[in-house]
Amino acid sequence: EVQVVESGGGLVQPGGSLRLSCSASGFTFSTYAMHWVRQAPGKGLDYVATISGNGDSTYYADSVKGRFTISRDNSKNTMNLQMSSLRPEDTAVYYCVKSSVFGTTIFDYWGQGTLVTVSS
Amino acid sequence: IQMTQSPSSLSASVGDRVTITCRASQDISNYLAWFQQKPGKAPKSLIYGASSLQSGVPSHFSGSGSGTDFTLTISSLQPEDFATYYCQQYNSYPLTFGGGTKVEIK
Repeated sequence: EVQVVESGGGLVQPGGSLRLSCSASGFTFSTYAMHWVRQAPGKGLDYVATISGNGDSTYYADSVKGRFTISRDNSKNTMNLQMSSLRPEDTAVYYCVKSSVFGTTIFDYWGQGTLVTVSS
Repeated sequence: IQMTQSPSSLSASVGDRVTITCRASQDISNYLAWFQQKPGKAPKSLIYGASSLQSGVPSHFSGSGSGTDFTLTISSLQPEDFATYYCQQYNSYPLTFGGGTKVEIK
């Protein structure tokens, strides 16, 4: 059974840093691109970042470029999102999403999310 | 690429036919997906390639369109279909979502 589980969320002050992790199981992790998507409280879905299966290619939303870094460790079946210079508008539930066998940019399975709150 | 959904919300009854539209600001061919989200839950992938159902998605869901105009149709609304629906383009980075359509019980 495919599973992706996020961890690492919490309360952080503006300007601070936080590292999210996504642990994957039930599929050949290194074969699939992975994504982060976030959702601010009461708002819609917002794309954050993508990393290719081998980690060589990364893509970011303009709103996080230069502040967030996506990475993966295929030996541990984990993906990470290092977030720095955090702003109150980064407050959201962050979802880890697996890509589909039909395409690297097609979303497949979603995790349950981890809440990040940026507040003083 | 900007994605615009309409309506932002609608009220319907069980058994109704429901149509949600999504418009892209430029041609995205058929690189369009639909997602369903229930309150307090993670989104669920419904459709990719504008019209291909993800595994396990009931056949009363269907999608159509290409280029800039797309439609999600629920042929006969079921109680478990009351949720918020989002479209997303995956033609180019950054990937972008529509603002969502909330389907409520009339």
